[in-house]
Amino acid sequence: EAGVAQSPRYKIIEKRQSVAFWCNPISGHATLYWYQQILGQGPKLLIQFQNNGVVDDSQLPKDRFSAERLKGVDSTLKIQPAKLEDSAVYLCASSLVAGGPSDTQYFGPGTRLTVL
Amino acid sequence: GEDVEQSLFLSVREGDSSVINCTYTDSSSTYLYWYKQEPGAGLQLLTYIFSNMDMKQDQRLTVLLNKKDKHLSLRIADTQTGDSAIYFCAERRTSGTYKYIFGTGTRLKVLA
Repeated sequence: EAGVAQSPRYKIIEKRQSVAFWCNPISGHATLYWYQQILGQGPKLLIQFQNNGVVDDSQLPKDRFSAERLKGVDSTLKIQPAKLEDSAVYLCASSLVAGGPSDTQYFGPGTRLTVL
Repeated sequence: GEDVEQSLFLSVREGDSSVINCTYTDSSSTYLYWYKQEPGAGLQLLTYIFSNMDMKQDQRLTVLLNKKDKHLSLRIADTQTGDSAIYFCAERRTSGTYKYIFGTGTRLKVLA
């Protein structure tokens, strides 16, 4: 079974520029998550989708971050404009269904963003 | 507090046992997880425990849960150099949506 795919793997931009990340979850997984992992910290949930609807975006800085999951499959996360503190690894994860007995999240390799 | 806490570093000799500790925050959390992250990779689920269990064993891994103290530990028996990685505990809170809160991670270094 193919895993969660993310691209690009690395991105370097200057502050105030825009950037977008792409995630393709495991086939058939209804739930998709975007996490931000700052160096030396654990992942922090930014947004959770169930199919193409948003379940939780309480920690998403909505003034600059946006995410969509059209058709309930692939997802994009955008930052516009980027700030220095956005430098982090952005992880995408998917699970079969949220809230199930194990609800195992499978993570992609992440996109490492550096904002100069 | 809001944070899931872990010690930052652990160093053990190959063949010894490793014990990684975690203190979580929400006594109503139903599932608690251990993830492993190797350099440049995403997180890999190692094991999880349901909150009504005290212990779970899975090959070299043993998870102990003290619900009263909100303390979780992961024991790795016969630690190998391939176990060197960062280990994260996570709790799945049940208030509101199913939100996962991750700890800060423990970097395990296994010395040959």
